[in-house]
Amino acid sequence: EVQLVESGGGLVQPGGSLRLSCAASEFTFSIFSMDWVRQAPGKGLEWVSFIGSSSGPIYYADSVKGRFTISRDNAKSSLYLQMNSLRAEDTAVYYCARVRGSGRGYMDVWGKGTTVTVSS
Amino acid sequence: EIVLTQSPGTLSLSPGERATLSCRASQSVSSSFLAWYQQKPGQAPRLLISGASSRATGIPDRFSGSGSGTDFALTISRLEPEDFAVYYCQQYGSSLTFGGGTKVEIK
Repeated sequence: EVQLVESGGGLVQPGGSLRLSCAASEFTFSIFSMDWVRQAPGKGLEWVSFIGSSSGPIYYADSVKGRFTISRDNAKSSLYLQMNSLRAEDTAVYYCARVRGSGRGYMDVWGKGTTVTVSS
Repeated sequence: EIVLTQSPGTLSLSPGERATLSCRASQSVSSSFLAWYQQKPGQAPRLLISGASSRATGIPDRFSGSGSGTDFALTISRLEPEDFAVYYCQQYGSSLTFGGGTKVEIK
């Protein structure tokens, strides 16, 4: 079964850092672009970052630019999100998703998400 | 940035009824690069529709998408109990943005 499993979430103080991981299985990870999408408590979906299949191109939402870094290791079928200078407004469930289609693409496979809480 | 406005915010219907959800874009969405997702409480979103009208694998045919340009719709022909959820549209023709969602609740 095609699967994405996120990990690395937790409670962190404002200004702190966290690294999220997303492990892919049962598909050829290296040929797909990937996204991170987040959802604050009780809110809608917010796209966070995109990475192409060979680690480029890379895009970020304005809200995280300069603070978050997306990366991938195709040999390990893994996607990462390094989050620095965290703020209370970064509190959310973070999903990784596989990208399909033309344009910037839509998301056809999603992980179950990992929860990030930024609080003192 | 293309802003997507979904309406209504909440739709109260009974099982068996027809649901029509609207997604309006602030600018034309190129090549009908518009997707719809369903999300149930505590779960990840699930892809329903891509390319404005193409059902994803395994999605029942009671779900249909339509529209082009700036006006799109998701129709659920006859609501089943498992269809009560939140629905999001997403455009991917110019960067990527999501609509605010429509909650379909049991009346």
